Amino acid sequence: QVQLQQWGAGLLKPSETLSLTCAVNGGSFNVYRWSWIRQPPGKGLEWIGQINHRGSTDYNPSLKSRVTISVDTSKNQFSLKLSSVTAADTAVYYCARVDISQGWFGELFTNPQFDFWGQGTLVTVSS
Amino acid sequence: DIQMTQSPSSLSASVGDRVTITCRASQSIGRNLNWYQQKPGRAPELLMYAASSLQGGVPSWFSGSGSGTDFTLTISSLQPEDFATYYCQQSYSPPFTFGGGTKVEIK
Repeated sequence: QVQLQQWGAGLLKPSETLSLTCAVNGGSFNVYRWSWIRQPPGKGLEWIGQINHRGSTDYNPSLKSRVTISVDTSKNQFSLKLSSVTAADTAVYYCARVDISQGWFGELFTNPQFDFWGQGTLVTVSS
Repeated sequence: DIQMTQSPSSLSASVGDRVTITCRASQSIGRNLNWYQQKPGRAPELLMYAASSLQGGVPSWFSGSGSGTDFTLTISSLQPEDFATYYCQQSYSPPFTFGGGTKVEIK
């Protein structure tokens, strides 16, 4: 069974850098992409970005200037850094595995989906 | 970015009811649409992927349909464990975006 275990600082001051790490147990780490997603208290979900085992990344343009996602394949871990945080970055942050399925809709298509998630880390930004 | 709009934002239903949640994309996304269930204090869980494929272990009373811009998640007979918030998510192109959620509450 695949398990994602995440950790990192839960209380930050404005302008500090958020840092979270997610360790993956089970499955083939190098086969998948790995994502970070966040959820402000009482609100919906926002995709932050993703990385593959080679370190190739995609970021949400709304956060791209402040986000760095990195990977350590020797430890089956990936990490998130978000710089210059403000109160608007207060959220539960989740790591997730990105599985890619295939389907047919007139032609073959690929579909990424978040099939395993970490337990979530509440990060609060407050002075 | 592709905007995802869910309706309703909340609904009240009874055990055994048929429940339908809709999700509309701001542009055509083919069948690149996933559904998640989230219970309070828990991470979301994948229910449905590629619009109509049931994730392993998900009960068969869940079903999904749609293509292009309009999608539906149906719970054919609501069970006590189904009271939760449901999110759609487009997987057509990054940035991957989610709908605002539909909270299914007990009537």
